[in-house]
This record gives sequence, C-alpha cells and structure tokens, in this order.
Amino acid sequence: EAGVAQSPRYKIIEKRQSVAFWCNPISGHATLYWYQQILGQGPKLLIQFQNNGVVDDSQLPKDRFSAERLKGVDSTLKIQPAKLEDSAVYLCASSRGGLADYNEQFFGPGTRLTVL
Amino acid sequence: DAKTTQPNSMESNEEEPVHLPCNHSTISGTDYIHWYRQLPSQGPEYVIHGLTSNVNNRMASLAIAEDRKSSTLILHRATLRDAAVYYCILRPRFTGNQFYFGTGTSLTVIP
Repeated sequence: EAGVAQSPRYKIIEKRQSVAFWCNPISGHATLYWYQQILGQGPKLLIQFQNNGVVDDSQLPKDRFSAERLKGVDSTLKIQPAKLEDSAVYLCASSRGGLADYNEQFFGPGTRLTVL
Repeated sequence: DAKTTQPNSMESNEEEPVHLPCNHSTISGTDYIHWYRQLPSQGPEYVIHGLTSNVNNRMASLAIAEDRKSSTLILHRATLRDAAVYYCILRPRFTGNQFYFGTGTSLTVIP
C-alpha cells in the first residue's frame, strides 16, 4: 500500500510570511496527526483528527497555526505568520483509528521548514 | 502526558545484541508501551508494542518488567541499518491515540 505522502519536502520562507503543508494519509486511515519536530528533539503532537473532527489540538499554537481535514482524507497545516522558532520538520502520520486503537502510526517523510 | 526516561545515546558493535532500556515509573495499568525508531532524515517507524507480556516480532523483542515500570527493547543482531533514534512511548489505551515522544536514545552501530 502507498505510504503517507507530504508536500513540499522543503520550504524556506522569511519570518512573518505564510506557509502551508499538505498531507495525504494512507487510504482508509481514519486518524491523522500533525507533529512538529525541532532539531535534536522528539516529535511533538500538534493536532489529531478522527475523520474530519479534531480529537486533540491542545499543543497547537492557535494564534498562528491552523489545520483542517475537510473531507476526512487529505489535510493541510498552515502557519500565518511564521516566526523564527517555527523552523522544524513537520511530520504527518495516520493510523486506522478508533479510541481503543493500538495500531501503529505510519509517518510521512516530513516537510523541513526554514524560517529566515 | 506519561513520561519515559531513556539514555541519550548508546553504542553497539555490528552483529551483537543491543538492549535499549526505558523507565516509565508513572505508567498506569492501561498504558501501552510502544517503541518507534527514526532513521536519519526519515519519519519515525513502528518497531514493537506491548501491554504486560513480552513480545517478539521480526524486528525486535520487547521485555516488560513485572511491575511494568521499565521495559527493554532488544535488537538481537545489530546492523548498520539499525543506527537510529529509538523512542519509548506510553500510549493511553482508552483516552485516544496520542503519542508523547521524549528525546529518545541515539543508537550508533560500530562496524
């Protein structure tokens, strides 16, 4: 089966600009996650969707970050305006779903964002 | 979020077994123990998970202490391709599928 797709793979912007990332999860996976990974740290969960509803966005900086998953499939993560500290790799992951789900999360290759 | 403690780094010789420890003293009775690894410039990938009993799969073995306050990931014969950051994660069984990654253990495999 095809894996989690993300685009772009790399993005360089200046601070205060806007940027958007796209994720296409594995077909049939109900749960989608966005993580932020700063260099030298483990991934930090930003938001989790179950189909097109938000399950957890407690660590999403909502003043500048937004995410949507309108049809329960693809998702976009947007940063507006970007700050220097947003420089990181943004990872998308998906899993089959369900609250009692212990199935594995499948990760995409990530988008490396550099904010100058 | 549940916490885990891992050594920052470990080294192993190629083709020798590797034991990667993880402490999780605040684990609850319904937390799963998951292990993921992240190869350079890639997203994390699933290695193994367990609840109470030891587990084996084609990649590794997971040994869980009787009191569940610690666990050990065992790679039976390390290869150069096993060089990665290994994350030990506690996942609540009934309150969602959120993962809280720590900083993990960076494994270096020496040829």
